[in-house]
Amino acid sequence: DAKTTQPPSMDCAEGRAANLPCNHSTISGNEYVYWYRQIHSQGPQYIIHGLKNNETNEMASLIITEDRKSSTLILPHATLRDTAVYYCIVKGARGYQKVTFGTGTKLQVIP
Amino acid sequence: EAQVTQNPRYLITVTGKKLTVTCSQNMNHEYMSWYRQDPGLGLRQIYYSMNVEVTDKGDVPEGYKVSRKEKRNFPLILESPSPNQTSLYFCASSLNAGLGNQPQHFGDGTRLSIL
Repeated sequence: DAKTTQPPSMDCAEGRAANLPCNHSTISGNEYVYWYRQIHSQGPQYIIHGLKNNETNEMASLIITEDRKSSTLILPHATLRDTAVYYCIVKGARGYQKVTFGTGTKLQVIP
Repeated sequence: EAQVTQNPRYLITVTGKKLTVTCSQNMNHEYMSWYRQDPGLGLRQIYYSMNVEVTDKGDVPEGYKVSRKEKRNFPLILESPSPNQTSLYFCASSLNAGLGNQPQHFGDGTRLSIL
């Protein structure tokens, strides 16, 4: 599976959009991009995933570049409850098998 | 309610005393996995299972055993725990191991302290 690179930390003002980048330059054509978040030491929570097209759900939007080498998770109106560590992972179409989470981005939403 | 349940949630024990952390899911998921989380190291995969009786090593399998005798259960066994296995452990599952578009569902975690 492709490896991902994320900035270790980011700040965002409450009410503003939080844009979290992820680089996955070695991604293959059949690999999905997933985003999870972990609040404090709770179990990671699934947010969104995509293959080629941009995706949106009630939590966030996922923008994947045309060459699929990077993506951005967008939290449209960040709240204090969105303060968490956000993980971007890449997973192949053959299923999970071995999964690498990395250290993620610590997002701090500031009042 | 669909969930992944881990027990115990907290455990303090001593070096060398065998312990088992149980993981159970009620979603009929094929894929299950164990992770450990240590400060500054993110989530690291210990073992995973693609289905009943099918298990394989993740990135940090040393000192751990697993079994998958039934679809719903995936226990993590520490035969002779050592202090370097003090960590926060998570179990996760997903519906179909053969498809890439299935998110993982995580348990609430088990905090192990080995003295």
